[in-house]
Amino acid sequence: QKEVEQDPGPLSVPEGAIVSLNCTYSNSAFQYFMWYRQYSRKGPELLMYTYSSGNKEDGRFTAQVDKSSKYISLFIRDSQPSDSATYLCAMVTSYDKVIFGPGTSLSVIP
Amino acid sequence: DGGITQSPKYLFRKEGQNVTLSCEQNLNHDAMYWYRQDPGQGLRLIYYSQIVNDFQKGDIAEGYSVSREKKESFPLTVTSAQKNPTAFYLCASSHLQGAWETQYFGPGTRLLVL
Repeated sequence: QKEVEQDPGPLSVPEGAIVSLNCTYSNSAFQYFMWYRQYSRKGPELLMYTYSSGNKEDGRFTAQVDKSSKYISLFIRDSQPSDSATYLCAMVTSYDKVIFGPGTSLSVIP
Repeated sequence: DGGITQSPKYLFRKEGQNVTLSCEQNLNHDAMYWYRQDPGQGLRLIYYSQIVNDFQKGDIAEGYSVSREKKESFPLTVTSAQKNPTAFYLCASSHLQGAWETQYFGPGTRLLVL
């Protein structure tokens, strides 16, 4: 079993839809959780960073962490065509080892 | 305009050849990293450096080498010992090692084997 699992997609939604992206993990040592957005042939950019269970909101983006279920989510409200990208989750252990998920490809159709 | 630059954008390697990927940052970050990205896999850490003249192996360092002679620069050499070098290589930096919320990535170099 991989340490971090993420559905690769592709996920296709109409403009304005609410998008839910998810990652599951098996290592209970993960302390910090991040979401990155990566446009095609570009480097990833950090969207959200959190270390506690619960929700963290930033504009149209909400990151949710459920440590008891080892499950994290990224919600995108009012999705736009410019949100079309690959979304990577990443997790960091208390001893600073970071593991990235393989990414979910998202297409928002106008 | 602060950021990370990587060059070249595309690089072709012949069998048995060593090639060097450039990474430069003007963010005044102490820590720098090299990752490899393959289709369907998460980013994997090759090497990282917390400070000038110091670097550590990551999870997949075999067949790669690095140097950190200047704070701004962290070049990666893909040696002939790396038997499967075709991948997208990403350089990143952060304020300090472990300050993940400050980590920025460069635009990447795609390496192809001829």
